[in-house]
Amino acid sequence: QKEVEQNSGPLSVPEGAIASLNCTYSDRVSQSFFWYRQYSGKSPELIMSIYSNGDKEDGRFTAQLNKASQYVSLLIRDSQPSDSATYLCAVQTDRGSTLGRLYFGRGTQLTVWP
Amino acid sequence: DTEVTQTPKHLVMGMTNKKSLKCEQHMGHRAMYWYKQKAKKPPELMFVYSYEKLSINESVPSRFSPECPNSSLLNLHLHALQPEDSALYLCASSQGPARGHENEQFFGPGTRLTVL
Repeated sequence: QKEVEQNSGPLSVPEGAIASLNCTYSDRVSQSFFWYRQYSGKSPELIMSIYSNGDKEDGRFTAQLNKASQYVSLLIRDSQPSDSATYLCAVQTDRGSTLGRLYFGRGTQLTVWP
Repeated sequence: DTEVTQTPKHLVMGMTNKKSLKCEQHMGHRAMYWYKQKAKKPPELMFVYSYEKLSINESVPSRFSPECPNSSLLNLHLHALQPEDSALYLCASSQGPARGHENEQFFGPGTRLTVL
């Protein structure tokens, strides 16, 4: 069973703060990690992908990966009310029979209040 | 362009109806996916097509029948559905399936299905 766990939330932060979203995974051979943002009633939107240990920054978003600890996180700096959404962590395990399959966490609902 | 299109946006059908959901991408992607998503749950994988061949079927009931007419198109044929099949049906595509960035999956807007 390949499990992906996210901090349950909901997470509520004030505008301008840093929102920290966390995700752990159980399968050590996982190689690719993705963060999706999903607004209520809409489809998931890919916002970050990370493949090697360390940090990856894209605008106000920073993804952090630590494969030894089987941990991936997403930091949102200068949070805006428009960041209010559910954030889904997805993990890809590179095993032959499941190549390409994503395992999703249950999502963390983030609310940014003005 | 990372656009995946889906039609229709909304669909209401009775349990005896037959309908089809359509998905299209023009990114040259070789893998296409169908997901089902219930409220406040993550997407649940149903089918994966790789190079127009069905590569993963997640034990989906036979009342759901996928079809990949060509590398850009993916259909999901629906027949004799149950009310519990009401959900958001999402199509996605990726360059892969492969490793790393080739498996970045891009989702379409979804079809909101209601079964009466």
